[in-house]
Amino acid sequence: AQSVTQLGSHVSVSEGALVLLRCNYSSSVPPYLFWYVQYPNQGLQLLLKYTSAATLVKGINGFEAEFKKSETSFHLTKPSAHMSDAAEYFCAVSDVGGGSNYKLTFGKGTLLTVNP
Amino acid sequence: EPEVTQTPSHQVTQMGQEVILHCVPISNHLYFYWYRQILGQKVEFLVSFYNNEISEKSEIFDDQFSVERPDGSNFTLKIRSTKLEDSAMYFCASSWDRGGYEQFFGPGTRLTVL
Repeated sequence: AQSVTQLGSHVSVSEGALVLLRCNYSSSVPPYLFWYVQYPNQGLQLLLKYTSAATLVKGINGFEAEFKKSETSFHLTKPSAHMSDAAEYFCAVSDVGGGSNYKLTFGKGTLLTVNP
Repeated sequence: EPEVTQTPSHQVTQMGQEVILHCVPISNHLYFYWYRQILGQKVEFLVSFYNNEISEKSEIFDDQFSVERPDGSNFTLKIRSTKLEDSAMYFCASSWDRGGYEQFFGPGTRLTVL
């Protein structure tokens, strides 16, 4: 079964600092990978996704993530944090093929706090 | 911009009562999902639905749960006899296709079972 591990349930950075949110997955084959963001009282919004094309994926709001097969990782980064980035971030994986219905398996989420 | 909507935003019910959670997926989407998140825990897959039938369900989705797409636009989740442990945020999602296609999520319904 797929599993996703997000290291750090809470990450705090200063405005303008680098944001690094970690995600590791377990899968026998490279899956599809997603980062979602959830702002308070809102649904999950897709930031970016990896679907076996370029390993460096750029998303919305200046975020990007790099798929590293050797490390089974898909860490999310942003060079310079903004106050509006404060939210909860979820990494998710989806099965590939084999009759799968591509359900998402989520990590526990990382709450990002941005300090002025 | 099209979005998935869910009603109600918050539902309070007594243990043993039936609840129906409502979702309106994006109109041209073909795949529909329910997920839930118990407070402090992961978002968990419940069920996927395609072509008017369940395509996959998790262990959580037992006989107390059912889904329906009654009129081509709504997608409902019914819990027949709620238990305390059903208290959670329930998210509906839809997608145009499977695989690498984005699942669009609604804002969720917070279910509280007393």
